[in-house]
Amino acid sequence: NAGVTQTPKFQVLKTGQSMTLQCAQDMNHEYMSWYRQDPGMGLRLIHYSVGAGITDQGEVPNGYNVSRSTTEDFPLRLLSAAPSQTSVYFCASGVDRRNTIYFGEGSWLTVV
Amino acid sequence: GQQLNQSPQSMFIQEGEDVSMNCTSSSIFNTWLWYKQDPGEGPVLLIALYKAGELTSNGRLTAQFGITRKDSFLNISASIPSDVGIYFCAGRETSGSRLTFGEGTQLTVNP
Repeated sequence: NAGVTQTPKFQVLKTGQSMTLQCAQDMNHEYMSWYRQDPGMGLRLIHYSVGAGITDQGEVPNGYNVSRSTTEDFPLRLLSAAPSQTSVYFCASGVDRRNTIYFGEGSWLTVV
Repeated sequence: GQQLNQSPQSMFIQEGEDVSMNCTSSSIFNTWLWYKQDPGEGPVLLIALYKAGELTSNGRLTAQFGITRKDSFLNISASIPSDVGIYFCAGRETSGSRLTFGEGTQLTVNP
């Protein structure tokens, strides 16, 4: 994968806990995004950003916050985790004008 | 919202066979992308298409951007066991709009 780093790889949370999934890219990409992947649902866009200081909601934003203070980083925050947020989360980045994005290796989150 | 239908959902084939999968959308797209996802990994970009009618190859993989701009297909020739995985199509209506993903095609290759 083209330089998108996600941490942690695996995490177990209790309902109501908060946590942040980290995403960093070193390719100077303008565009960054977070997806969740659930069985039979494909990849669904949570939030995205077209540049530092700019964020916008995707298809399934509820329960998640993001910020983009630098070009390199795009953390995803779960303020109060719920079992419905058990999923695999992928960060992706790209050069927006080329319309292609590259994915990180994923973060497996379980909320019990 | 726009719909992206990918088919088939799954395929079971013998090593050496050719494979074809496709995606259709309810909207006109200006970009079609094809990704492959191995178990436990993130999707990896295989082929990107930017013009109607465009036909692009990447080794044994060939993808085409449909002339109606509402569909795309991916062919894999002479499949091998390492082709196993989930293949996703993705499309975008205009620059800056959201990328929409199909639900994936699970490919199994029997040696």
